[in-house]
Amino acid sequence: EDQVTQSPEALRLQEGESSSLNCSYTVSGLRGLFWYRQDPGKGPEFLFTLYSAGEEKEKERLKATLTKKESFLHITAPKPEDSATYLCALPAGGSQGNLIFGKGTKLSVKP
Amino acid sequence: DTGVSQNPRHKITKRGQNVTFRCDPISEHNRLYWYRQTLGQGPEFLTYFQNEAQLEKSRLLSDRFSAERPKGSFSTLEIQRTEQGDSAMYLCASSLRGRGAYGYTFGSGTRLTVV
Repeated sequence: EDQVTQSPEALRLQEGESSSLNCSYTVSGLRGLFWYRQDPGKGPEFLFTLYSAGEEKEKERLKATLTKKESFLHITAPKPEDSATYLCALPAGGSQGNLIFGKGTKLSVKP
Repeated sequence: DTGVSQNPRHKITKRGQNVTFRCDPISEHNRLYWYRQTLGQGPEFLTYFQNEAQLEKSRLLSDRFSAERPKGSFSTLEIQRTEQGDSAMYLCASSLRGRGAYGYTFGSGTRLTVV
């Protein structure tokens, strides 16, 4: 069964304290892995798509990496405005529209 | 284009009533998706359309739920005989077929509370 597991569930950092979020997955035939950011009361906001092991994508203080079993979202020198829930998702095997989401990691960055 | 628009933003209804939500996708997007999200969980897939055709439905979409996308533009999601377990955020998203690398664009959702 296709599955996405994110850890930790919650992460509290001081401003400037770098860390990583984990997304482990099992799927029959990876057709992309997505990272989204979600602020309270809003819909998810697209960040990155990764397609193959070894691929990396960067955006400001965020860098996403992908292996055959997991993806990491590295946050370098975070700021309070990076506080949000970060969601990982991938297309279910055989589906064109069904993204399977993890439960997310709630990140809090304190000044 | 102002992105994906969902209305209403909030809906409170009594158990047993019917409710309908509307989603206006990004105009050039031919795919439209409905997801449901409860507190502390990631979004769960409900259904998706390519143009006006409903191509896939989740097991979560019981016979009390129906979705339409007439003329391949806006979409509606109707829940009949609402139950307390239907309380959730209902999210709509859109995308352009073949542009998966750009992800889905989500709306801000409709929060449904069934009392």
